[in-house]
Amino acid sequence: SQKIEQNSEALNIQEGKTATLTCNYTNYSPAYLQWYRQDPGRGPVFLLLIRENEKEKRKERLKVTFDTTLKQSLFHITASQPADSATYLCALENTGFQKLVFGTGTRLLVSP
Amino acid sequence: GAVVSQHPSRVICKSGTSVKIECRSLDFQATTMFWYRQFPKQSLMLMATSNEGSKATYEQGVEKDKFLINHASLTLSTLTVTSAHPEDSSFYICSAGTGKAEKLFFGSGTQLSVL
Repeated sequence: SQKIEQNSEALNIQEGKTATLTCNYTNYSPAYLQWYRQDPGRGPVFLLLIRENEKEKRKERLKVTFDTTLKQSLFHITASQPADSATYLCALENTGFQKLVFGTGTRLLVSP
Repeated sequence: GAVVSQHPSRVICKSGTSVKIECRSLDFQATTMFWYRQFPKQSLMLMATSNEGSKATYEQGVEKDKFLINHASLTLSTLTVTSAHPEDSSFYICSAGTGKAEKLFFGSGTQLSVL
């Protein structure tokens, strides 16, 4: 069966450290993978998209890697700040243009 | 960036009533909009895909007669939860794409509580 797995346990880190979140998938062959941020009671906000032929993508303090052999994406936030505390979702396109399937998300807590 | 407005943000209703949720793309035309449902601590589950001027496409297990979707224009899609019951209580989120990029823009969500 198809699965998108993210660590369901919250990730607690100290301000200034690098946060690394993992997204693993099975039985998908995505052309691209996306990461979103979701705050409590709000809709997701797009962060980054990485295509299957890209190994790494960066945007300011964010970095995403995509390993289609391992079927895994890693999402890094460097120099983390308390304002980065949120739930981070990975998403794959499934069967149609822009029809996304989401992982369960990992909650990140950055302590001052 | 593109903005998607969703209203209301929160609604409480009695069991058996119908609730309408609106989703508008404010500064772009969205030929396709998507409706998701999210239960606490769970992922977003796609309910249906809404195309302007045509019938919505529902995901397996979603009752189309219960969740009525209308995409009347390129900037407006509505979801009506008919004869709502407590098990319909959830966070409903819409999203829209510009058609030019793969990323989606999401509304702020509607928390539905059915008493």
